[in-house]
Amino acid sequence: NAGVTQTPKFRVLKTGQSMTLLCAQDMNHEYMYWYRQDPGMGLRLIHYSVGEGTTAKGEVPDGYNVSRLKKQNFLLGLESAAPSQTSVYFCASRLQPIAISSPLHFGNGTRLTVT
Amino acid sequence: AQSVTQLGSHVSVSEGALVLLRCNYSSSVPPYLFWYVQYPNQGLQLLLKYTTGATLVKGINGFEAEFKKSETSFHLTKPSAHMSDAAEYFCAVFNTDKLIFGTGTRLQVFP
Repeated sequence: NAGVTQTPKFRVLKTGQSMTLLCAQDMNHEYMYWYRQDPGMGLRLIHYSVGEGTTAKGEVPDGYNVSRLKKQNFLLGLESAAPSQTSVYFCASRLQPIAISSPLHFGNGTRLTVT
Repeated sequence: AQSVTQLGSHVSVSEGALVLLRCNYSSSVPPYLFWYVQYPNQGLQLLLKYTTGATLVKGINGFEAEFKKSETSFHLTKPSAHMSDAAEYFCAVFNTDKLIFGTGTRLQVFP
């Protein structure tokens, strides 16, 4: 049972380059999220999805795009990377809640450096 | 909008001492509150959660938290710290379809 898997684990980009981060979950969860973690700022929500084919903006969506073409995958794209996007990116998923409090399941993160 | 504030970005305790990590929330509706823990180079794991009912919530690894509406607080405690408790701890509040996190508190435990 893999849970939430993020690829790649590490990446270094030059300013202006593009890349896609992949998140895959095998728990049949409806909800998926992308967060970024920066020192002293906690986790901030970038985008999220409440089901296949849906996406919504979070707190810090600028410079990022997402797609949820399949229920088990949630892709985060950077079209033109900037040094301000250097961060650790976490994907998480959650069951569609009958109980609102169903917990998030996190991947182990992708460490991205933009030079 | 709902939010949480964690007081103290770093907390240091001796092994065996009381752990107290502070979290205050802001919410116009009854909140759903969570504590998550992050060990080095890992994602976050759920420690405990408060939804409704009993205001003292027990979680994993001996941690507990008390929801105090009058103080808008949800502080995390553990009676006796262990070296393995060294990690970063995040308080979070549920907001519509998503979880909003605090800025985190790094706990150091000294022998």
